[in-house]
Amino acid sequence: DAGITQSPRHKVTETGTPVTLRCHQTENHRYMYWYRQDPGHGLRLIHYSYGVKDTDKGEVSDGYSVSRSKTEDFLLTLESATSSQTSVYFCAISDRRINTDTQYFGPGTRLTVL
Amino acid sequence: AQTVTQSQPEMSVQEAETVTLSCTYDTSENNYYLFWYKQPPSRQMILVIRQEAYKQQNATENRFSVNFQKAAKSFSLKISDSQLGDTAMYFCAFMPPDTGTASKLTFGTGTRLQVTL
Repeated sequence: DAGITQSPRHKVTETGTPVTLRCHQTENHRYMYWYRQDPGHGLRLIHYSYGVKDTDKGEVSDGYSVSRSKTEDFLLTLESATSSQTSVYFCAISDRRINTDTQYFGPGTRLTVL
Repeated sequence: AQTVTQSQPEMSVQEAETVTLSCTYDTSENNYYLFWYKQPPSRQMILVIRQEAYKQQNATENRFSVNFQKAAKSFSLKISDSQLGDTAMYFCAFMPPDTGTASKLTFGTGTRLQVTL
């Protein structure tokens, strides 16, 4: 258990509405990641962070933004949700104090966009 | 860009038997990391085993072991003495060497394993 929580765990929203998912960690990990999981695609990286206010894009970043104003929180925002963003979203951390370059995952958030 | 291929969408094994899940990957890197993650029905992603490419010895964790063939770019997972609790989706993942910013994972599409009585 790497001390990762995600909120909300489930959310249903309508097309065009903004949505923010939160990833919270309690153990001062430096690196944080957001992935989405879809059938037939495995997990794909959306954005990642390598420190407070330091973020970068992943493989599928279009339509998403992130923010990290403090070490423990990494927020993923869908500015205007679309049905194609219906997915399960996972947050992950990595920290060399645990195991070099190994990522540990949160419990996931299931998002449905109607 | 790296790619990871899991060619077996679904597999089934009887309790106490042994099963092997296949994974191949494509990369031009020499040093990298490979992982197997397990996702049971609870949806939690659980690290099963980790392999460093510069180590020739195959990684082992209790009933789980890998067959790492670097030249063939193959990384299969063997589960011995299968248990009902091993029923899950299994993902193979590749990580390139550390670039100093973050270590990004590329996942395969997964193999759904069913353990039966």
